[in-house]
Parts: sequence; C-alpha cells; structure tokens
Amino acid sequence: EDQVTQSPEALRLQEGESSSLNCSYTVSGLRGLFWYRQDPGKGPEFLFTLYSAGEEKEKERLKATLTKKESFLHITAPKPEDSATYLCAVQGAQKLVFGQGTRLTINP
Amino acid sequence: GAGVSQTPSNKVTEKGKYVELRCDPISGHTALYWYRQSLGQGPEFLIYFQGTGAADDSGLPNDRFFAVRPEGSVSTLKIQRTERGDSAVYLCASSLNPLGETQYFGPGTRLLVL
Repeated sequence: EDQVTQSPEALRLQEGESSSLNCSYTVSGLRGLFWYRQDPGKGPEFLFTLYSAGEEKEKERLKATLTKKESFLHITAPKPEDSATYLCAVQGAQKLVFGQGTRLTINP
Repeated sequence: GAGVSQTPSNKVTEKGKYVELRCDPISGHTALYWYRQSLGQGPEFLIYFQGTGAADDSGLPNDRFFAVRPEGSVSTLKIQRTERGDSAVYLCASSLNPLGETQYFGPGTRLLVL
C-alpha cells in the first residue's frame, strides 16, 4: 500500500530563517510526487510535480527535490505570507495518496 | 480561465438527511476526483471519474456514498442518511488526464452533520 509521512507536523520559524520540510514515501511505481500549499479554509494549491529521483524544481523562495525514498521542500528566507500547511502526495498505479501535512508558521 | 468550483461552500444538515455536493471541473479536464479532508489531516481519496464512468471508487467508505458524472463534466457527490462522522471538508479536483497529471483542487464544501 502506498504511504506518505511528512515531518515535522508543525514548524515555527522567524522571518528569514531557512529550513526544510520532509516527505518520506513508499509507492509501487512512482508516477509523480506532488507538493501543494493549503491556506486555512481553502483547497490545496498546486506548487510542484516531480517525476524522477534527482529532479529539482524552484518557485520563488521554494525548492523541491526528490530521491527514491523522500522529497524535501526547502524554503529560503521565508516571509510571513509563506505561512500555510504544505501537503505532499504521491501517485503510483492508482490513486493520489497524501501525507498529513506540515503546518508552517513564519513569525515577522 | 476558471478553476474548479464547488457548491455549496458550506452545508449544515441533520443526522439522517440526504445531501448533494456539486463540482464543476476545469473545462477540458477529463479526469475528476473527490476527496474528503478531516481537520489536521491530508485529503483522503474517495472516487475518480474518467469521462462519465467511475474508474476507481475504492475510497468510498460505504454504500451511503455515491457519485455521478452523467455528461463527463459536472459531478455530484451524494450522501444518504448522513451521520455525524460524515462531517468534513469534501474536495473536488480535476486533471487533464489521469495517472501522473497534476490535479487542481476546488475550494471544498464544508459539511457539518448535527
């Protein structure tokens, strides 16, 4: 069975303090690993798709990387508006399976 | 263009009642998905449609839950004899094609069963 575990569950940083969020996964035949951002009361907003180990993608202060067992979402010099829950999901042969998310808070 | 839309945004009902939740996918997207999200958890897969047919309904928790997509566009998730445990956010997503394509989510319907 496909599984996704995200850590930490919650992370509090000061503005400008860089860090990384982890997504560990097991999947039969990875078709894609997805990162989403979710703000309170809203649906998940797509950030990145990664398809193979070694792949990296960047968008503003965010950078996603992928290995055969895990993905990292690196956040560089975050701002308060980066506060949100970050969700990781994998798609194998069938459905998309999500982790429980990391709740990120950036204090000004 | 317009994203995925869902109506209603909030629904309060009483235990035992029937509810319908609607999803309007991105135009041209053939794949449509329903998820359920409880507080503090990631979305949990319910059902996926490719065109008009349900390609995978393995996530539906029991036979009180049913979904249709009669014309291959709009979908309705139907819940019969609602229970308090059905309270959650119901999310809809669509993608251009299934299996590996990015899924784009709607804002969700917040269902509260009293």
